[in-house]
Amino acid sequence: DGGITQSPKYLFRKEGQNVTLSCEQNLNHDAMYWYRQDPGQGLRLIYYSQIVNDFQKGDIAEGYSVSREKKESFPLTVTSAQKNPTAFYLCASSIRPEPQNPTTQYFGPGTRLLVL
Amino acid sequence: AQSVTQLGSHVSVSEGALVLLRCNYSSSVPPYLFWYVQYPNQGLQLLLKYTSAATLVKGINGFEAEFKKSETSFHLTKPSAHMSDAAEYFCAVSDIVGTSYGKLTFGQGTILTVHP
Repeated sequence: DGGITQSPKYLFRKEGQNVTLSCEQNLNHDAMYWYRQDPGQGLRLIYYSQIVNDFQKGDIAEGYSVSREKKESFPLTVTSAQKNPTAFYLCASSIRPEPQNPTTQYFGPGTRLLVL
Repeated sequence: AQSVTQLGSHVSVSEGALVLLRCNYSSSVPPYLFWYVQYPNQGLQLLLKYTSAATLVKGINGFEAEFKKSETSFHLTKPSAHMSDAAEYFCAVSDIVGTSYGKLTFGQGTILTVHP
């Protein structure tokens, strides 16, 4: 089955700790995205990558970092600089968008991050 | 910058009644628009999308949406609600020009409750 997997489903972070959320896709998509979801605020874009070894900041990148060393994988690290990390994190992927031709994003099941 | 406003954070209907979820957008160019559904603690699933072809778009699970340029709206409807339609619904607009094409901007979401 093709799809997007995110792990773990729940993640606990201690104060001052960095944690990494995994996102893997086997859809052969070039583009991948990370969103943060808070109640009543919809989804906000953290980082996105349109091709391997390249990524761009989204609207709320402060306190987060990413890498894109492989087409299938786009891990997100929540650093200690992110002061309010408790949220639901969603990864998505799509075929590479082009100007005047956006593409559909497909979402993983999400990871809920909680601070101890 | 593009934006989306979903009118009503909560909508409650009786089973068998009409479902109407409202979405208005702001865009300087013809937009691409999406509706996604999210069940509790899950990722987002695409319901339907408007990409400048037909103004009335049919999606999965009996949902449809009509693009009205004069009203800058893309409201989601379903003639008869089922209990299984209870979920959170998100409207989103996609950038199609500039350096951020392919990025999605989401509305704040509307939680649909269906009563027996």
